[in-house]
Amino acid sequence: DSGVTQTPKHLITATGQRVTLRCSPRSGDLSVYWYQQSLDQGLQFLIQYYNGEERAKGNILERFSAQQFPDLHSELNLSSLELGDSALYFCASSGSGRDSNEQFFGPGTRLTVL
Amino acid sequence: GQSLEQPSEVTAVEGAIVQINCTYQTSGFYGLSWYQQHDGGAPTFLSYNGLDGLEETGRFSSFLSRSDSYGYLLLQELQMKDSASYFCAVKGYGQNFVFGPGTRLSVLP
Repeated sequence: DSGVTQTPKHLITATGQRVTLRCSPRSGDLSVYWYQQSLDQGLQFLIQYYNGEERAKGNILERFSAQQFPDLHSELNLSSLELGDSALYFCASSGSGRDSNEQFFGPGTRLTVL
Repeated sequence: GQSLEQPSEVTAVEGAIVQINCTYQTSGFYGLSWYQQHDGGAPTFLSYNGLDGLEETGRFSSFLSRSDSYGYLLLQELQMKDSASYFCAVKGYGQNFVFGPGTRLSVLP
């Protein structure tokens, strides 16, 4: 158990809809990262937050947005969903400085868009 | 931009040693990390190389050569439970992370 929690575990929705994925980092970790992993694909970095502020942006679509709240949990919002958005979405957290080199991944949310 | 290349599949027998290579093209990065992911599971951190050279953690070792734009993960005394996908990743100066496509390791009895 990495200490990172994600909800829900599974999500099934229809095209055009909007969903919110939630992540709680390990206790004490200030950084949260979001990744997308499509079937048999590698991990695509989406976005990173550090202590409530956006730190880095990867291949995140404009239809997607994220935020990190004062209690450090984070939410990833996916809107106008398309079939191609079906994937496993991972959240990870890390500490600061040298500790930022090791990311702890949550169990993931499997999103299916029908 | 940054891109990483890994072999898609590697097969080895129990007890053997296997090396998974990672070559990269990047304008600059802090270090090279390795993660293991079992089917249906989440990635788990294995090692990090911030400097050139070898880092050893139990049966796993990782190596980085910035001059050669190359790194590798070495797994010794292979066990069946090592069958998984292995990803190399770099942390760029823009704080973004780029993962390689992954190498699926199959350990045969």
